[in-house]
Amino acid sequence: EAQVTQNPRYLITVTGKKLTVTCSQNMNHEYMSWYRQDPGLGLRQIYYSMNVEVTDKGDVPEGYKVSRKEKRNFPLILESPSPNQTSLYFCASSVTGTVISPLHFGNGTRLTVT
Amino acid sequence: KQEVTQIPAALSVPEGENLVLNCSFTDSAIYNLQWFRQDPGKGLTSLLLIQSSQREQTSGRLNASLDKSSGRSTLYIAASQPGDSATYLCAVYTYGQNFVFGPGTRLSVLP
Repeated sequence: EAQVTQNPRYLITVTGKKLTVTCSQNMNHEYMSWYRQDPGLGLRQIYYSMNVEVTDKGDVPEGYKVSRKEKRNFPLILESPSPNQTSLYFCASSVTGTVISPLHFGNGTRLTVT
Repeated sequence: KQEVTQIPAALSVPEGENLVLNCSFTDSAIYNLQWFRQDPGKGLTSLLLIQSSQREQTSGRLNASLDKSSGRSTLYIAASQPGDSATYLCAVYTYGQNFVFGPGTRLSVLP
């Protein structure tokens, strides 16, 4: 089954403790991206990647890192999480960066930073 | 900078009604526009994608139109069903700005 898989689904952590949220897709998509969704602010893009070893900042990249060493994986790293990073995070992928095909989303990771 | 708005913010209708959801964007230099559905606690599911050169797309009871020059898109849902209850989001892919999402319209279809 074609899908975007995020892990974990729920994560509670403390301020400053490094964490990684994994994202993997099995559709051989070139384009992958990360979003956070907050009440009243909607979905905002954190980082995106047009292909392997190519990453770019979205609208809200501060406090986050990403890497794209393989086509299928696009992990989101929070080196020193803070409470304002408490949010619902989504990973998404598409065939190419010109986006002539739909975005496929994972089921989300709900992160709480205390 | 691209901004996307959606009207109404919430909508409640009886089953069987036809309804229209609206999406507006400020920068007409878009590659495409997508409509998504989001169920509570779940990810987004793509419903329709309209390329910038197209005027509309249809899938089953859903029809989406695009008027790029006026910065507007509508999602038409025919013969609504309780299973259509969800939040509907539109997103535009803009040259040099990537994806920008609207805040969504929360739809409730009452049996």
